[in-house]
Amino acid sequence: AQSVTQPDIHITVSEGASLELRCNYSYGATPYLFWYVQSPGQGLQLLLKYFSGDTLVQGIKGFEAEFKRSQSSFNLRKPSVHWSDAAEYFCAVGKYGNKLVFGAGTILRVKS
Amino acid sequence: DAGVTQSPTHLIKTRGQQVTLRCSPKSGHDTVSWYQQALGQGPQFIFQYYEEEERQRGNFPDRFSGHQFPNYSSELNVNALLLGDSALYLCASSLPGQDTQYFGPGTRLTVL
Repeated sequence: AQSVTQPDIHITVSEGASLELRCNYSYGATPYLFWYVQSPGQGLQLLLKYFSGDTLVQGIKGFEAEFKRSQSSFNLRKPSVHWSDAAEYFCAVGKYGNKLVFGAGTILRVKS
Repeated sequence: DAGVTQSPTHLIKTRGQQVTLRCSPKSGHDTVSWYQQALGQGPQFIFQYYEEEERQRGNFPDRFSGHQFPNYSSELNVNALLLGDSALYLCASSLPGQDTQYFGPGTRLTVL
């Protein structure tokens, strides 16, 4: 069965510090991988996606993610967090236009 | 270019009632997917419509039904509402055969 695990429910980082949000997946083959961000009361905004090729992908707002097949992981990183990055982040898997399977999300808090 | 739009923004219903939520996809997108996001959880796939037909369905009861119109807009109908149906309902659209789904702002349904 397809599943996504985001081990951290909450993460708090200081403004300007680096960030890594973890995502592990279970899928029958190499899936397409996505990170979305959701601000309170809002819909989901796509940050980045991995389909194939270079395992380090760049996204919007200075985010990047690295696909590691051996670890079934797709962790999201940002070198320097800004207060406006406070939101909830979702990792998702899918393929061939089929449904997306989401993790439970990680809430990021940024302290000044 | 307008993104995915959903209406209404908020809705309050009582148990046993029926509700209809609406979604207009991004321009040129012909595939519409619906997700339910309960409080504190990741989005759960309800179903997907393509060419006015339900193409995939998640693990939701028949009380959840949908429709897609020739202009690709879509409706989600929920009958015999239960308290547990209270959630944010998200619509996402995608291009034919493409895997990236773009989400609308959602409709917040509260069942009393």
